[in-house]
Amino acid sequence: GAGVSQSPSNKVTEKGKDVELRCDPISGHTALYWYRQSLGQGLEFLIYFQGNSAPDKSGLPSDRFSAERTGGSVSTLTIQRTQQEDSAVYLCASSRGGSGGVGETQYFGPGTRLLVL
Amino acid sequence: AQSVTQLDSQVPVFEEAPVELRCNYSSSVSVYLFWYVQYPNQGLQLLLKYLSGSTLVKSINGFEAEFNKSQTSFHLRKPSVHISDTAEYFCAVTPSASGTYKYIFGTGTRLKVLA
Repeated sequence: GAGVSQSPSNKVTEKGKDVELRCDPISGHTALYWYRQSLGQGLEFLIYFQGNSAPDKSGLPSDRFSAERTGGSVSTLTIQRTQQEDSAVYLCASSRGGSGGVGETQYFGPGTRLLVL
Repeated sequence: AQSVTQLDSQVPVFEEAPVELRCNYSSSVSVYLFWYVQYPNQGLQLLLKYLSGSTLVKSINGFEAEFNKSQTSFHLRKPSVHISDTAEYFCAVTPSASGTYKYIFGTGTRLKVLA
């Protein structure tokens, strides 16, 4: 596609439910990032995928958060047993990955706005 | 570890006036520096970046930023702003060493250009 797409654009869920957020990176981009943007906060790094390498999950805030990337393309971020503090905008970005992503321009999707009631 | 500080959460400025958005970082290793912009109802997009070479980098729409290693700063400036520059601006750093790719973003500065 022309850019990074994310779905859904908005998600309202009840506390304790599981949610899945989807990211379609730019075709051919091997590096993919997930970030969380809470009100008044900067972008918080969550997880990074590069090609077929094991992802860097060091930014995931708890074991309720997980992510996978199938076929080196689409990625899904799953939040289990959602809590109110999970309410935020979840952003996905991709980059070419030619140098492992270092110093590359990241292209961001429009984000998924998650509200946990 | 790296950190980024954007002290100004909001900056109002009149159209055609100059503006400076401040960014300071902390890092024990060499870094690359970025400014990203988020226009209303749009996704983040790269405005400019410093990787190496000239410490003064410029964007196509008149913004510029200067990497100052001694002051650990990467302030963003524009000599004359337009209404269309109203947006949120994020400063970011990442270690320059290969194999590292975590980007640390600041909390953002909302630039509001007034008519």
